[in-house]
Amino acid sequence: GAVVSQHPSRVICKSGTSVKIECRSLDFQATTMFWYRQFPKKSLMLMATSNEGSKATYEQGVEKDKFLINHASLTLSTLTVTSAHPEDSSFYICSATGLAEGSADTQYFGPGTRLTVL
Amino acid sequence: GENVEQHPSTLSVQEGDSAVIKCTYSDSASNYFPWYKQELGKRPQLIIDIRSNVGEKKDQRIAVTLNKTAKHFSLHITETQPEDSAVYFCAARKTSYDKVIFGPGTSLSVIP
Repeated sequence: GAVVSQHPSRVICKSGTSVKIECRSLDFQATTMFWYRQFPKKSLMLMATSNEGSKATYEQGVEKDKFLINHASLTLSTLTVTSAHPEDSSFYICSATGLAEGSADTQYFGPGTRLTVL
Repeated sequence: GENVEQHPSTLSVQEGDSAVIKCTYSDSASNYFPWYKQELGKRPQLIIDIRSNVGEKKDQRIAVTLNKTAKHFSLHITETQPEDSAVYFCAARKTSYDKVIFGPGTSLSVIP
């Protein structure tokens, strides 16, 4: 099946720094990638939708200047948390959909990135 | 926008019994309904999905039913096993490349 990877899996940073998270589709071209945020024991909250080569569409309440999303190629999207603060600590998960074997429109999830801001 | 509700939030069953999780959605344009299983600290895994032109789908011990008129769908797990313990999320989506909206989740515990 289709594989989506994320890097890093865990990151700890100081308050005020910026953190970049990468999401890659390893064996298919991802026309659309999604970024989710998940708090402990909570559901996945969609942050933004990104299509290759165009600006991301952010969900209501998500600060686009704080969560910078770039989808520069059909296999890579990045989420940069700028000037991170402790309240940004969370589990960030990406998903990708595109021309994958077996199903053209199934969303495949990355393993997630645990961000801890001190 | 789409809103997905899910019940119950927690569910405990004895091993071998059945588990049922119910979801409702608000947008009648939604036509794809996946179910995900998420173990602690792991990514969500698609376990079954159903499209609006189908009323029921089964895969071994897992089945999903959909009532488009009432805008609700359900997950049924039979002969539950301890390894079925996890958080289950229902979700809804409109078009093929549209965003998936998740329900709040159900924490299922299967007691040996």
